[in-house]
Amino acid sequence: NAGVTQTPKFQVLKTGQSMTLQCAQDMNHEYMSWYRQDPGMGLRLIHYSVGAGITDQGEVPNGYNVSRSTTEDFPLRLLSAAPSQTSVYFCASSLSRQGGIQYFGAGTRLSVL
Amino acid sequence: AQTVTQSQPEMSVQEAETVTLSCTYDTSESDYYLFWYKQPPSRQMILVIRQEAYKQQNATENRFSVNFQKAAKSFSLKISDSQLGDAAMYFCAYRSYTSGSRLTFGEGTQLTVNP
Repeated sequence: NAGVTQTPKFQVLKTGQSMTLQCAQDMNHEYMSWYRQDPGMGLRLIHYSVGAGITDQGEVPNGYNVSRSTTEDFPLRLLSAAPSQTSVYFCASSLSRQGGIQYFGAGTRLSVL
Repeated sequence: AQTVTQSQPEMSVQEAETVTLSCTYDTSESDYYLFWYKQPPSRQMILVIRQEAYKQQNATENRFSVNFQKAAKSFSLKISDSQLGDAAMYFCAYRSYTSGSRLTFGEGTQLTVNP
């Protein structure tokens, strides 16, 4: 009964380093999304996907890349980490276009020094 | 674009009492969903309650209920018989019928429950 699994849970990067945050779901959900959470700002959408091979930008996409080669996986790539990307990152998935409740992973706390 | 506003950064309540968290939103759409999510210190996002805009009846889940005022674009959460385990950050969120799975969140309200 895994649901949405994010790895790693914590990560520290140096400015300019690259890394990939992993997200996997085992519920056969079409929709997957990445959000970042910053103090006082709630969660903001970075990128989302409506199915394998289809991705689109959200509210704050700059500095991040995504791809969706399978239904299960939706990795988020930081190409050149910046201190402004220090945040908590959440992956979410949902089953249907209308009314589908989003299920969230446990989050990844990322610090960029 | 839709916006969601939670004007109470912090709230506190005594155990067993009732508390209401406020949320307002702005949209030009007539069909949408509204949610309240709870985030305890574990950081996990937990769905508390969901309201479909076309339904006039307010949603209820055990001790949690909402007051949905569509014309006023208001969506408050009432927690009855507050328990220590209710202490958490609460987020109000909006989801359009037409924008797929994307959620727009408010800034959050930190709820403290005093014994």
